[in-house]
Amino acid sequence: GENVEQHPSTLSVQEGDSAVIKCTYSDSASNYFPWYKQELGKRPQLIIDIRSNVGEKKDQRIAVTLNKTAKHFSLHITETQPEDSAVYFCAASRADSNYQLIWGAGTKLIIKP
Amino acid sequence: ETGVTQTPRHLVMGMTNKKSLKCEQHLGHNAMYWYKQSAKKPLELMFVYSLEERVENNSVPSRFSPECPNSSHLFLHLHTLQPEDSALYLCASSQSGREQFFGPGTRLTVL
Repeated sequence: GENVEQHPSTLSVQEGDSAVIKCTYSDSASNYFPWYKQELGKRPQLIIDIRSNVGEKKDQRIAVTLNKTAKHFSLHITETQPEDSAVYFCAASRADSNYQLIWGAGTKLIIKP
Repeated sequence: ETGVTQTPRHLVMGMTNKKSLKCEQHLGHNAMYWYKQSAKKPLELMFVYSLEERVENNSVPSRFSPECPNSSHLFLHLHTLQPEDSALYLCASSQSGREQFFGPGTRLTVL
């Protein structure tokens, strides 16, 4: 069945450095790829998303890149800050549904002061 | 209340109890979801309700029973649960295939 693999499961970076989280999806017909951030004890919230008709999208310190040929997409966070510490989830849309997402297992990002 | 609300926020129940989780969305969305979130696992979609789709994940045991009386309310009825059902249960809503907005979740503990 369809799946999304997310790596790494834990990422520790020095404050001010960049962080990159990668996801690979299996359904070549997926066309929507959101990234959610879940801070400790809080609900997941969308931070950025990308559709299959673009290769890159940027919003201040965060960016997402998509390689449809290789079926992978990545989240890039530059100039990391303590408030970036959280679990990040990637997801890919299911081709046979207008509503369902296939989720990655999550990456715990730790920003070291 | 704004966004997506869930009650109760915490629930402890025995294996023979019957309880219900409630979700309400105030966003005018046309789809609602139940997810199960366990430690170190992907978000597990349990049910989706929309005008076009009603999806029930076949791996969800029958001891979980959803109810969606209208587009703003979603319930999850629980009965004879097992300890492995202990998890965070998240409700979400969306407008068609766009951003999903999550509720705060119900932390369920089954003794």
